Amino acid sequence: GDSVTQMEGPVTLSEEACLTINCTYTATGYPSLFWYVQYPGEGLQLLLKATKADDKGSNKGFEATYRKETTSFHLEKGSVQVSDSAVYFCALRPFQGAQKLVFGQGTRLTINP
Amino acid sequence: GAGVSQSPSNKVTEKGKDVELRCDPISGHTALYWYRQSLGQGLEFLIYFQGNSAPDKSGLPSDRFSAERTGGSVSTLTIQRTQQEDSAVYLCASSLVYRGGYTFGSGTRLTVV
Repeated sequence: GDSVTQMEGPVTLSEEACLTINCTYTATGYPSLFWYVQYPGEGLQLLLKATKADDKGSNKGFEATYRKETTSFHLEKGSVQVSDSAVYFCALRPFQGAQKLVFGQGTRLTINP
Repeated sequence: GAGVSQSPSNKVTEKGKDVELRCDPISGHTALYWYRQSLGQGLEFLIYFQGNSAPDKSGLPSDRFSAERTGGSVSTLTIQRTQQEDSAVYLCASSLVYRGGYTFGSGTRLTVV
């Protein structure tokens, strides 16, 4: 079945460090891919998305590229800030018109000043 | 409303009691989803409503769980005879079309003691 696997957390970095959170997926169709972020005490927010191979989603300095050949959608940021501390979820919609998103287990990121 | 509203934000209940969790989606969003987020786990799909169609209940973990959506808007998730393993954050989300991501509420943190 369709599934998403994220790198295990927690991840702790210093401010201005470079970030990569790995995400790989399995899907039988042509999925759309998403990253969601959950700040402390809040609901999940859509961070970025990509709907087809080689698309790059970007927002708030974060980027992720849809790599069909490696079935990956790694989240990257060149210089993290304390305010980036949150839980990050990778997700897929298995195919256009699919009703449900499939989520990874989440990766907790803590940025120290 | 402006966002997805969930109530209560926190609920502590005794084992064996019934609880009702409420979700008020974004006005006009035809799709509504319930997910469960357990400590250290990813998001577990519970149930999905789309317009007047029969709901997709495939994620409900047991017959103690049920949900309804009245008038295509507000939804209530009911857990009967609560157990300690029901303790989790219950997240509601809504969406307008299949292609995009969801808008999540802040969740209800349920603790069964």
